[in-house]
Amino acid sequence: GQNIDQPTEMTATEGAIVQINCTYQTSGFNGLFWYQQHAGEAPTFLSYNVLDGLEEKGRFSSFLSRSKGYSYLLLKELQMKDSASYLCAVRDRWDSGGGADGLTFGKGTHLIIQP
Amino acid sequence: NAGVTQTPKFRILKIGQSMTLQCTQDMNHNYMYWYRQDPGMGLKLIYYSVGAGITDKGEVPNGYNVSRSTTEDFPLRLELAAPSQTSVYFCASSYRDREYFGPGTRLTVT
Repeated sequence: GQNIDQPTEMTATEGAIVQINCTYQTSGFNGLFWYQQHAGEAPTFLSYNVLDGLEEKGRFSSFLSRSKGYSYLLLKELQMKDSASYLCAVRDRWDSGGGADGLTFGKGTHLIIQP
Repeated sequence: NAGVTQTPKFRILKIGQSMTLQCTQDMNHNYMYWYRQDPGMGLKLIYYSVGAGITDKGEVPNGYNVSRSTTEDFPLRLELAAPSQTSVYFCASSYRDREYFGPGTRLTVT
């Protein structure tokens, strides 16, 4: 089976740093994704990790440990516009044609930024 | 590029009615997907397609059908709408390391 766990809700202060954790158990593994989703909108791509380690992209960083089935998304210098849901997703199978049979998503972490 | 577009944005159906949710992408991606998202839940895969003429079931396919006659279009068909199909539906396409989502269709079945 496939299982992805992340906290339901987190609160942080504007200007601070927050880390959103994600653990997963899937039948295969071909990459872990983080998406941001504002209320009433579509998910937008934030990051992709397929190898262990840290990927940094501006204020956002994502870490992966495949042996532990663990990832985190780190958001620095929080802004009010970062208030959104953050979705952790795993691609568990890869096709040689360059795509796959979809992503398995966690339920998302609702991040609230306070002034 | 318009990316992934979906129509309609909103729809209310009565139980037992049928409808088609339209999805079009102009990025020439072979891979396309349909997801549904219920309140407070993650996205769940309904159907996917790896290219024109090829479709396959995802995690929650019951009550839905798809077709893929062209690379650009991937419509989702609901034949007998049920209240359990009230949800937000997202279409996506992908190439290599990311998926591109459409704006979504909010469907209510009453």
